[in-house]
Amino acid sequence: KNEVEQSPQNLTAQEGEFITINCSYSVGISALHWLQQHPGGGIVSLFMLSSGKKKHGRLIATINIQEKHSSLHITASHPRDSAVYICAVGRTNKLIFGTGTLLAVQP
Amino acid sequence: DAGVTQSPTHLIKTRGQHVTLRCSPISGHKSVSWYQQVLGQGPQFIFQYYEKEERGRGNFPDRFSARQFPNYSSELNVNALLLGDSALYLCASSLVSYEQYFGPGTRLTVT
Repeated sequence: KNEVEQSPQNLTAQEGEFITINCSYSVGISALHWLQQHPGGGIVSLFMLSSGKKKHGRLIATINIQEKHSSLHITASHPRDSAVYICAVGRTNKLIFGTGTLLAVQP
Repeated sequence: DAGVTQSPTHLIKTRGQHVTLRCSPISGHKSVSWYQQVLGQGPQFIFQYYEKEERGRGNFPDRFSARQFPNYSSELNVNALLLGDSALYLCASSLVSYEQYFGPGTRLTVT
């Protein structure tokens, strides 16, 4: 079993829909990251959080430390949100990554 | 402030060759980490360096090595390249170990 599990692996949505991507982890962490990667591109950090909730524009990230679970929400989704979204947990001196969720938002 | 920079952006090598990838961290960041992302998979941790010392190593063969310079920039070296080394190599810098900022990556193709 992977230390970081994401669901769903693939997600197709219509423009304007509310999207949720989930991340569960099984190890103790210092922080959790949500990252975005466009096809063939590098990684952009969206959020780093260790408790509670953060919001940036149409993106919201939450974390429940007790349940070892985090969610990334996208409100009013747009085709430009199409990308791979990766959850990564910070543990000692490294990040452990999930396998990513491929999101396609159709106009 | 400039973000993390990596060079080159892309390169193509043949099997058996050697490659050096470079990373410049955000100004003031003393830690650099390297990750390998094979197509279709999540990144895998290769190394972390802090103050020019190796602080962590992932499950990679000895063909992979790295170093950090006094200006905190870093090089990742891979010897005796294999087809399976084709990947996006990501560098991340940090002030504290759990808050990492990623560079754009170097895409290595081994033919």
